Order: sequence, then structure tokens, then C-alpha cells
Amino acid sequence: KQEVTQIPAALSVPEGENLVLNCSFTDSAIYNLQWFRQDPGKGLTSLLLIQSSQREQTSGRLNASLDKSSGRSTLYIAASQPGDSATYLCAGKTSYDKVIFGPGTSLSVIP
Amino acid sequence: NAGVTQTPKFQVLKTGQSMTLQCAQDMNHEYMSWYRQDPGMGLRLIHYSVGAGITDQGEVPNGYNVSRSTTEDFPLRLLSAAPSQTSVYFCASSLVTGFVGTEAFFGQGTRLTVV
Repeated sequence: KQEVTQIPAALSVPEGENLVLNCSFTDSAIYNLQWFRQDPGKGLTSLLLIQSSQREQTSGRLNASLDKSSGRSTLYIAASQPGDSATYLCAGKTSYDKVIFGPGTSLSVIP
Repeated sequence: NAGVTQTPKFQVLKTGQSMTLQCAQDMNHEYMSWYRQDPGMGLRLIHYSVGAGITDQGEVPNGYNVSRSTTEDFPLRLLSAAPSQTSVYFCASSLVTGFVGTEAFFGQGTRLTVV
């Protein structure tokens, strides 16, 4: 059974730090991967999508990479800001109609 | 306003009661799905639909029913509520099947408590 882990589960950093969030699938057979942001009491907002033919995607201060051979993805956030405080979830497409989510990393950026 | 609309936002049920969580989207998306979110477990797929008249089970379908009579609506029914169904429920939609690969839209969630 495909399982997803996200490390760390929670992270608290001072403003301005660069940070790395990790996502790992037990089965490396992932078609593509997406990172989402969830604010408290809200739904999910898509951040970055890495297609099956890609290794990484960038949007502003965010960079996500995917190593399909190992089933691991990394979300890099540069120069963190208090507004980045949220829960970050990764989701992998494991078949044509199934998407599996990780448990999330709760990020707090301290001013 | 374009997007996914879920109702209600909050609900308290007694064990054994039934109810329907509503989900509607106005983007003409074919793919819709229901997830539940529990602490430390991420989102787990309950049921999904790849188009009107077509539904299928996800990871945790027991205790839930769905139907898709129109492209816009995808209601989730709890047949006989149990405390284990206390959770936050999210409806999501995307243009094509299995939304990773196209932009996904999520509703604001329904926080359900079963006592």
C-alpha cells in the first residue's frame, strides 16, 4: 500500500531563513506530484505541480523538486516570511484516478 | 463567483443520524472528489467521480454514499453517523481525472462532529 510521509511534522523558524520540507512515498511509482498550502480553517491552495516529465518547478520564492527514482520530493522556501505560516501538503498521483496526500508539515515563521 | 462551494461549514450530528454534505462547482469540471482530513493522517479519499453518472470508491468509502446526477453537484451522504466519522470533509474538483496534473480547486471544508 502506498504511504506518504512528510518531514518534519512541524517547523518553527525566524523570519528570513531558507527552509526545506520533505515528502516521501513508499512506492516510487508516482506519475506527478503537487504541493499545496492550507491555512487554518481553509481549503487547500495549489502551489507547485511537477509533471511526470519534469524534475522541478519554481514559483517566486518556492522551488519543488521530484526524484522519481526514490519517490522523494522537496519543497524549498527561500527567505521565509510570516505570511508563509501554514500547513504544507504534498500529493502524488499514483494511478490515473488516484491521488494520495501526505500528512502535512506545519510551518510557523516568527517575525 | 467561480469555485467549489461546500455546505454546511459546521455540523453536529448524533450517532445514527444521517445527513448530506453538499458540494457544487461552476467550472464545468468533470472530476470531483471527497476527502476527509484527520489530524496527522493527511487527506484520505472517500469517493470520486470522473463525470456525471459515474462514481467510484476511494480509500475509505465505508459509511458514505455519493451520486453524480449533474456535472455541477457531488453530494456526500452519511448513512448512519458514527463518532469515527468526526472529521473535516473537503470537496475538490478539477478539469480532468485525478487532479494532480491540472489545477485543483478545493472547497472551504465542512467540520463534522458526531456525538
